[in-house]
Amino acid sequence: DVKVTQSSRYLVKRTGEKVFLECVQDMDHENMFWYRQDPGLGLRLIYFSYDVKMKEKGDIPEGYSVSREKKERFSLILESASTNQTSMYLCASSRDGSSSGANVLTFGAGSRLTVL
Amino acid sequence: GQNIDQPTEMTATEGAIVQINCTYQTSGFNGLFWYQQHAGEAPTFLSYNVLDGLEEKGRFSSFLSRSKGYSYLLLKELQMKDSASYLCAVRDSNYQLIWGAGTKLIIKP
Repeated sequence: DVKVTQSSRYLVKRTGEKVFLECVQDMDHENMFWYRQDPGLGLRLIYFSYDVKMKEKGDIPEGYSVSREKKERFSLILESASTNQTSMYLCASSRDGSSSGANVLTFGAGSRLTVL
Repeated sequence: GQNIDQPTEMTATEGAIVQINCTYQTSGFNGLFWYQQHAGEAPTFLSYNVLDGLEEKGRFSSFLSRSKGYSYLLLKELQMKDSASYLCAVRDSNYQLIWGAGTKLIIKP
């Protein structure tokens, strides 16, 4: 069964700490994405990547960075966590860079981060 | 601005039919998606519409009217396991996904 795996389901961090959220996919997908999901809001795109070592800012990149050193792995980094970054973080991947067709997203189960 | 509207919460009875609406205003249109998300789990793909009309897939159907900026997801023969949030998303002219806040569907026996 193909999957996207997020290493941490629940994290509690303190303000100012550096936080790493890891995501691995086993589908050989080209595209990977990081979203945050907050109550009452639609998914918001933080960063995405269409290829190894490539990254693009999404709608809310401030306070975040990403790393994609290998095709299967896409990491989200919070350099200095703040309380307003308390959220559910969802990683997703999709097949390729083609914009045609459905190009469906496969999501991980999420990482719930609490910043105290 | 770009906007996706869907009801926050709906309640339906096991065995019944429910329709979840989604209206959108986006910069261009390159397809509409429905995803299902059970509490604490990953969203999973349900359907994709790019042309007007109804797409049927088992108990679930999705309808699109591009001229009206409107879609609905129809769930028939509701089962308790259909209790979940249903997310509507539109791909805009830049091929970026714009997401609605989701509709929480509660199924009662």
